[in-house]
Amino acid sequence: DSGVTQTPKHLITATGQRVTLRCSPRSGDLSVYWYQQSLDQGLQFLIQYYNGEERAKGNILERFSAQQFPDLHSELNLSSLELGDSALYFCASSAGTGSGSYNSPLHFGNGTRLTVT
Amino acid sequence: DQQVKQNSPSLSVQEGRISILNCDYTNSMFDYFLWYKKYPAEGPTFLISISSIKDKNEDGRFTVFLNKSAKHLSLHIVPSQPGDSAVYFCAASEKGDDKLIFGTGTRLQVFP
Repeated sequence: DSGVTQTPKHLITATGQRVTLRCSPRSGDLSVYWYQQSLDQGLQFLIQYYNGEERAKGNILERFSAQQFPDLHSELNLSSLELGDSALYFCASSAGTGSGSYNSPLHFGNGTRLTVT
Repeated sequence: DQQVKQNSPSLSVQEGRISILNCDYTNSMFDYFLWYKKYPAEGPTFLISISSIKDKNEDGRFTVFLNKSAKHLSLHIVPSQPGDSAVYFCAASEKGDDKLIFGTGTRLQVFP
């Protein structure tokens, strides 16, 4: 058990809809990362938060947004969903400071499988 | 542009033999490299890492080798066990950055 909790495990929704994925990081970890894994693809970095503030942005679509709350849990909001958004969405946390000054492995949750029909 | 590449989608190895998984990268700013293992229906789990100041790191049956001049790293598993059957991801981060850039993974199957 990595200590990172993601809910829900599965989500099935229709095109055009909006969904929210939730992540609780490991106790004590201030950094949260979101990754997307499409079929037969590697994990694509979406966005990173550190202690409530956005730290880095990757290939995140404008239809997607995220935030990290004062209790450090994070939510990833996906809107105007398209068939191509069907993927596994992983959240990870680390003890890193967000500045790269401490090499800390990321610890991943078990992911949310999103299916857009 | 894929900065971290794992060119072998799959590898099949007999139990007890060595498994060698390879990874190439293009970004010379990467200074920290990791391997993750992923079982179905689970998230990736950290396996082993190496800093760019080293060329080898060992942890039990797992050894990672880094060749900076060739921008290549490899993971050796000796001896391979059926429980090692999983997808292995190579990942890297730049100096001054915490986020990881992942390869596309190699599916390892260890058969009896």
